[in-house]
Amino acid sequence: GQNIDQPTEMTATEGAIVQINCTYQTSGFNGLFWYQQHAGEAPTFLSYNVLDGLEEKGRFSSFLSRSKGYSYLLLKELQMKDSASYLCAVRDRDYKLSFGAGTTVTVRA
Amino acid sequence: DAGVIQSPRHEVTEMGQEVTLRCKPISGHDYLFWYRQTMMRGLELLIYFNNNVPIDDSGMPEDRFSAKMPNASFSTLKIQPSEPRDSAVYFCASSLSLGQGGTGELFFGEGSRLTVL
Repeated sequence: GQNIDQPTEMTATEGAIVQINCTYQTSGFNGLFWYQQHAGEAPTFLSYNVLDGLEEKGRFSSFLSRSKGYSYLLLKELQMKDSASYLCAVRDRDYKLSFGAGTTVTVRA
Repeated sequence: DAGVIQSPRHEVTEMGQEVTLRCKPISGHDYLFWYRQTMMRGLELLIYFNNNVPIDDSGMPEDRFSAKMPNASFSTLKIQPSEPRDSAVYFCASSLSLGQGGTGELFFGEGSRLTVL
């Protein structure tokens, strides 16, 4: 099975940087995803890591260390619209995608 | 191209009634996933299909739940009989396999919000 841990809540100020950590255990790692979910909406894809290192996509970056079972999502130049839940998800060798409980980020003016 | 389409968007029913949720995946996608989301348990994988064949249904809560995928463009999730604890948002998602290029990320439908009284 898979065990995915991430903090429950984080609060940051508009314009600041926030880092959301995710640790995981899985039987056969086959990729890690970050999704964003606004209240009342469906999750939407943000980033994907399958090799170690940093993937940058505009204001969002995601890092992966497979040996440590660790990833983080970095949100820069925070905007009010970034207030949402951020979900870490891990895919195993059987293509099964399991999600963490999500981190609710609140951006304050 | 249309995204994943789910119906109904909202359903309110009484305990004991049968509930059928429907999903049309993105054309060409070969994986289909059913998830359930609640505040208490987050996003739980119920079952997923590859090329219309169920691969893993270990997340299906109990015999009251069943899912089918009769063809590449349609899937159903059925709950019979429904109970109040089944109240949740049910998401369907589809993806391409890695062999077809890309990351294989999931594309989610807008969800079906189920309330069982």
